[in-house]
Amino acid sequence: EAQVTQNPRYLITVTGKKLTVTCSQNMNHEYMSWYRQDPGLGLRQIYYSMNVEVTDKGDVPEGYKVSRKEKRNFPLILESPSPNQTSLYFCASSITYRAQETQYFGPGTRLLVL
Amino acid sequence: GDSVTQMEGPVTLSEEAFLTINCTYTATGYPSLFWYVQYPGEGLQLLLKATKADDKGSNKGFEATYRKETTSFHLEKGSVQVSDSAVYFCALIDSYGGSQGNLIFGKGTKLSVKP
Repeated sequence: EAQVTQNPRYLITVTGKKLTVTCSQNMNHEYMSWYRQDPGLGLRQIYYSMNVEVTDKGDVPEGYKVSRKEKRNFPLILESPSPNQTSLYFCASSITYRAQETQYFGPGTRLLVL
Repeated sequence: GDSVTQMEGPVTLSEEAFLTINCTYTATGYPSLFWYVQYPGEGLQLLLKATKADDKGSNKGFEATYRKETTSFHLEKGSVQVSDSAVYFCALIDSYGGSQGNLIFGKGTKLSVKP
């Protein structure tokens, strides 16, 4: 089944404790990205990757890192989480970055930073 | 910059009622337009899309027409069901080089359908 998977689905952590949220897709997509969803703000892009070893900042990159060593995986790293990073996070992928391509979303990771 | 504005919710309807959720956009280039749906506790699913002016996207009884002259992409359904209760997001990806595949979302409209 074609899908985007994320782990973990739920995470509670404390301020400053490094964490990684994994994202994997099995559709051979070139493009992957991370979004965060906050009440009243909709979804905003954190980072994106056009293909392997090419990543760049989205609209809200502060406090996050990413890497793209393999085509299928695009982990999101919070080196020193803070309470304002409490949010619902979605990974997405598409064949390319072009406007007409559909982006497919993972199930989401709900993060609480105490 | 690019932006999407959609009607504030929540919207509460009775089963079999007609649904319209308004969406307007501003964009630099020639965007593709999308409606995504988020059911309770789930991720986002593509509901429909349109990639050029006058295109009509449709799926599961929902429709939306890409109107360049009014910069709109309103979502409609003739007869809603309880199972349509969800949050609906209008979104765009612009076609100009700087967009880099960034989906720009509206804030979402929560729909509740009562039996």
